[in-house]
Parts: sequence; C-alpha cells; structure tokens
Amino acid sequence: KNEVEQSPQNLTAQEGEFITINCSYSVGISALHWLQQHPGGGIVSLFMLSSGKKKHGRLIATINIQEKHSSLHITASHPRDSAVYICAVGWGGNNNDMRFGAGTRLTVKP
Amino acid sequence: NAGVTQTPKFRILKIGQSMTLQCTQDMNHNYMYWYRQDPGMGLKLIYYSVGAGITDKGEVPNGYNVSRSTTEDFPLRLELAAPSQTSVYFCASSPRETQYFGPGTRLLVL
Repeated sequence: KNEVEQSPQNLTAQEGEFITINCSYSVGISALHWLQQHPGGGIVSLFMLSSGKKKHGRLIATINIQEKHSSLHITASHPRDSAVYICAVGWGGNNNDMRFGAGTRLTVKP
Repeated sequence: NAGVTQTPKFRILKIGQSMTLQCTQDMNHNYMYWYRQDPGMGLKLIYYSVGAGITDKGEVPNGYNVSRSTTEDFPLRLELAAPSQTSVYFCASSPRETQYFGPGTRLLVL
C-alpha cells in the first residue's frame, strides 16, 4: 500500500469545470507539496502547505492535518491545465525525505 | 539563471556498465535531491544533500552513490547498471521549501 494515496487516478473534464484532486497520507508529516508534471515531463512545484489553505490564481490547495488529507482545486479549468498532478509529503517530519503519490492525470477538453 | 540542468538527456547502458548523471544548479540552493520515476509510478527519492559535503539516503538508495563537493553540483553515480535502473531521473534543488526540478535524464539499461 502506497503511503501517499491520490484520487482519482485519471480525470477528464470539460473546459470551465471545477476540478478537485484528493491526497491522503498515512503518517505525521512536516509539510505537503503539490506538483504539476507537464505532458513533456517537466515538473513544477505548485504549493507547499503545512496548514490551512493557499491560493495561486485559479489553483487552491487545502490541508486537514487531523484527517491527514489535502485537496487541490482548479477553478474554471482550461485545456492548458491538462497535466499530471502529484502530491508529496515530507515523511516523518523530515521535509527532505519526500514520499510521492502516483499522480492524477487530468485532461481538460475544450 | 539556467536553474537546474541535467546531462545527459538520454542514455542507453549495457548491464554492468557505469555512468554518472550530472546535475548542476546556479541558484545557490543548499538542498539538492535525486529522484527516479518509473513508468506509471510515483517519484522516489534516491539521495539528498542539505549542503556541500553532506549527503543522506532516501527511500531507494541501493545501486547508487552521490557526492556533493560544491554547492552547485550533485552527481549521481551508477556503478553496475541493472535493468531495474531503467527509469527517468530527476534532480531538484531547493532554498528550503519549494523544489525546482531539472528536465530529467531518461536511462535505459539493456
């Protein structure tokens, strides 16, 4: 069983839809990261969270430490949001020892 | 700034051969990381470094070695290549929290 679980594995949406991607983890962590992997393979860091909520443009990330759960929301989705979204956690309080989810592949159709 | 650069982009190795994957960053970041990404799987941490002269094992260090003689460079060495090391390798650096990823090296061991 993976220590970091993401759902769904695959997600197809129509342009303009509100998107939610979920991440659950099994042990205490120091921080949680959301990453975006482009179709060409490049990886970009979107957010780092240790509590609460962060917003950047149309992206919103939330975390509930007690429930060991985080969500990434995309408002007004666009085809350029099509990518793999990856959740990662700093394992056992060590933010350098990162454990990753398998990713959620998002396809946004025009 | 070039950011994080990795060489080579692609390499084919024969079983038992050795090679070094190069990673350089020009952002003066203390923290550097090596990850591997197998098809359909999440990223896994191989080794990390919190500064020049300091390295530590990640989740999957077997079969690899690293060194960090300067802040800029963090090479990853494969001594005896095995088919199980076929993967895409990503290097990343960080000032503390956000990680900046290189473009990756695709390695095929036959």
